[in-house]
Amino acid sequence: DGGITQSPKYLFRKEGQNVTLSCEQNLNHDAMYWYRQDPGQGLRLIYYSQIVNDFQKGDIAEGYSVSREKKESFPLTVTSAQKNPTAFYLCASSKFPGGAPDNYGYTFGSGTRLTVV
Amino acid sequence: AQSVTQLGSHVSVSEGALVLLRCNYSSSVPPYLFWYVQYPNQGLQLLLKYTTGATLVKGINGFEAEFKKSETSFHLTKPSAHMSDAAEYFCAVTGREDDKIIFGKGTRLHILP
Repeated sequence: DGGITQSPKYLFRKEGQNVTLSCEQNLNHDAMYWYRQDPGQGLRLIYYSQIVNDFQKGDIAEGYSVSREKKESFPLTVTSAQKNPTAFYLCASSKFPGGAPDNYGYTFGSGTRLTVV
Repeated sequence: AQSVTQLGSHVSVSEGALVLLRCNYSSSVPPYLFWYVQYPNQGLQLLLKYTTGATLVKGINGFEAEFKKSETSFHLTKPSAHMSDAAEYFCAVTGREDDKIIFGKGTRLHILP
């Protein structure tokens, strides 16, 4: 079955440490997205990529970095510059460009919960 | 530009009662509209979407939503709530200029026994 896999499900980070969250999809989707979710704040876009080797900042990119070396993979690194990284992180993917109406909509992974200890 | 407003960050209904979650949107072009559901510690799952055609859209788990252009609304309903419906629900819109979807802040649905 096609889908999008995030790992690990739970991650603990020490102060000053960089950590990388994995996101892999086998849906043959061109576009991938990273969101941060905090209670009561909905989904906030961190980075997105619509093509391999290219990505754009979202609304809250500071303290995060990404790469898109393969179509299937879009890892997110939470750097030590991110002062409040404790949150639930969601990865999503979609066809791009959308084209036909049926192509619109994101498929989400099951999320990674990051906690600073 | 597109935006979404979900009225009520928390909604409580009794088991067996009507569920109504409100969503209003703003879009400069004919929108595509979505409802997603999120259970605790999980990702979002598509409930239903409106793109073109019939304005009453049926989704999974007995939910449906009606696109009302004159009211710029896309409210989600279910005739009879079940305990398993307790979750967070997100309304979303895309204007298709860059294929990005804009999400509302979410409404947490509580089901009272």
